[in-house]
Amino acid sequence: SQELEQSPQSLIVQEGKNLTINCTSSKTLYGLYWYKQKYGEGLIFLMMLQKGGEEKSHEKITAKLDEKKQQSSLHITASQPSHAGIYLCGADILGAGGTSYGKLTFGQGTILTVHP
Amino acid sequence: GAGVSQSPRYKVAKRGQDVALRCDPISGHVSLFWYQQALGQGPEFLTYFQNEAQLDKSGLPSDRFFAERPEGSVSTLKIQRTQQEDSAVYLCASSFRSFPGQRLTDTQYFGPGTRLTVL
Repeated sequence: SQELEQSPQSLIVQEGKNLTINCTSSKTLYGLYWYKQKYGEGLIFLMMLQKGGEEKSHEKITAKLDEKKQQSSLHITASQPSHAGIYLCGADILGAGGTSYGKLTFGQGTILTVHP
Repeated sequence: GAGVSQSPRYKVAKRGQDVALRCDPISGHVSLFWYQQALGQGPEFLTYFQNEAQLDKSGLPSDRFFAERPEGSVSTLKIQRTQQEDSAVYLCASSFRSFPGQRLTDTQYFGPGTRLTVL
């Protein structure tokens, strides 16, 4: 979607390295979701951010949402082969009246490969 | 159930055939979404239900696509006269959020998807 740009499109790292995936919206976000997808499978929920400046962590994955609520980053520390997969950001874009019913607009995805 | 389930997981159809894809959301989830994911792309919104009411169908690509959720739980996405460009993974997601515009953000949980191949 042109409303949501995700970068890089693919990433190859050596096990143990840190990495960052970025997601930028052309519109103000009501919420920003990060999902992981393995080939042929559904999306696994990672984290959801709603407040400007918010940061959440789970195990070695940290996600941040900027103050303007238009950019988010996903950072993986000390990557492992189990982190490999497709990472997708999904934006719940602010609608008229400052509301939303939850329809998500997704980025193209980032394919992460982690070499042992 | 424990999660969102979809059936069939794989469907091969000849061009022109009708197909029906089923979604069983998490029990008690009011909101249900259908998305279409083309190869190498992120999912794209198709339609949204709140209980049995279809409140947004703006993403349905043509009038060959039809979705229903008659009793507010199980949903079916039907594609009539399938075309090759319909080949994609169809994902269903559900969430607990009950009201459009409610100032809450609620996690959407996705099913495994149905991979449709139209020959």
